[in-house]
Amino acid sequence: KNEVEQSPQNLTAQEGEFITINCSYSVGISALHWLQQHPGGGIVSLFMLSSGKKKHGRLIATINIQEKHSSLHITASHPRDSAVYICAVDHYGGATNKLIFGTGTLLAVQP
Amino acid sequence: DVKVTQSSRYLVKRTGEKVFLECVQDMDHENMFWYRQDPGLGLRLIYFSYDVKMKEKGDIPEGYSVSREKKERFSLILESASTNQTSMYLCASSSEMFVGGKNIQYFGAGTRLSVL
Repeated sequence: KNEVEQSPQNLTAQEGEFITINCSYSVGISALHWLQQHPGGGIVSLFMLSSGKKKHGRLIATINIQEKHSSLHITASHPRDSAVYICAVDHYGGATNKLIFGTGTLLAVQP
Repeated sequence: DVKVTQSSRYLVKRTGEKVFLECVQDMDHENMFWYRQDPGLGLRLIYFSYDVKMKEKGDIPEGYSVSREKKERFSLILESASTNQTSMYLCASSSEMFVGGKNIQYFGAGTRLSVL
């Protein structure tokens, strides 16, 4: 079983829909990251959070530490949101932190 | 803005060739990472470095080596490329890594390597 699980693996939505991507993890963490990867490869960091909720534009990320679960929401989705969304956790093990990645959610938003 | 630059976007090599993938960052970050990304497997850590000339194995170091002679540059070396090393390779850097520190990693655009 992967230490970081994302669902769904693939998601197709119509423009304007509200989207939710889920991430569950099984290890102790100091923080959780949501990343976005557009076709062509480059990855950008969207959020880093260790508690509660963060919002940036139409993107909202929440985390429940007790339940070891995080969600990424996209409101009023747009075709330019089409990308792979990756959840990663900052796992504290030993002297160094290490990022453990989920396998990603491929989102396609159709006009 | 942090910039992490990978020397090639696409690379085609033959089995047995020695391959160098170069990564340069311009933010004076101590930590640098090499990952490979394969469908269904996500990003897997090959090697990382937390200082010049320091390196540590990640989860899948077999068949790879690294070099960090200068703080800004981290090279991934495939000593003898094999077809199972065909993948997307991503370099990243961060300013803090240790327990309690922030670990925002900044990624390069990736190098898609095909080994024939």
